[in-house]
Amino acid sequence: KAGVTQTPRYLIKTRGQQVTLSCSPISGHRSVSWYQQTPGQGLQFLFEYFSETQRNKGNFPGRFSGRQFSNSRSEMNVSTLELGDSALYLCASREVVQGFYEQYFGPGTRLTVT
Amino acid sequence: KQEVTQIPAALSVPEGENLVLNCSFTDSAIYNLQWFRQDPGKGLTSLLLIQSSQREQTSGRLNASLDKSSGRSTLYIAASQPGDSATYLCAVRPGGSQGNLIFGKGTKLSVKP
Repeated sequence: KAGVTQTPRYLIKTRGQQVTLSCSPISGHRSVSWYQQTPGQGLQFLFEYFSETQRNKGNFPGRFSGRQFSNSRSEMNVSTLELGDSALYLCASREVVQGFYEQYFGPGTRLTVT
Repeated sequence: KQEVTQIPAALSVPEGENLVLNCSFTDSAIYNLQWFRQDPGKGLTSLLLIQSSQREQTSGRLNASLDKSSGRSTLYIAASQPGDSATYLCAVRPGGSQGNLIFGKGTKLSVKP
């Protein structure tokens, strides 16, 4: 099976702009989660989607939003970008059936806000 | 609130050494614990997953143990190699399968040839 894919891999934006990141989960995985990774804060949970519904949300401002499509692909959007939004954004998918719930991560999108 | 701590933050060892990375968590009510490896600028690679009912898991030269009651996990790497150089992250999934992963800050490992 192909792994989790994320596009684009690198992005440079200016303060005040908005950005959309995309994630395709492993085939058969219906849960997609997003994490932000920065040197200071480490990995922080943004949100999780399952069957097109947001199931869980981290402690981030409303500028961060996401959605999931019927094919389980997910997008996250950040509006009114701030310098502090510069980070590696990681998407992860997992199966949601009785079992181990092992999480698999994509390569990430490196966002730089100038 | 669940918190995950990894000690040490960085570790440098000569090739061939056996080593132990530590992870501690404050709330023992976890569903599972997962160890990841991250190479610079890259995503996370899952190494081992331990369910809350398990005591340890092994994969090749890696062995992870879990002591839920004391809130600790260790990752043992046998016969370290330069290719093991990376940051190792520990993450817990709180009780209830719908909880998101909570990560430690990681241990940056450098294995010198």
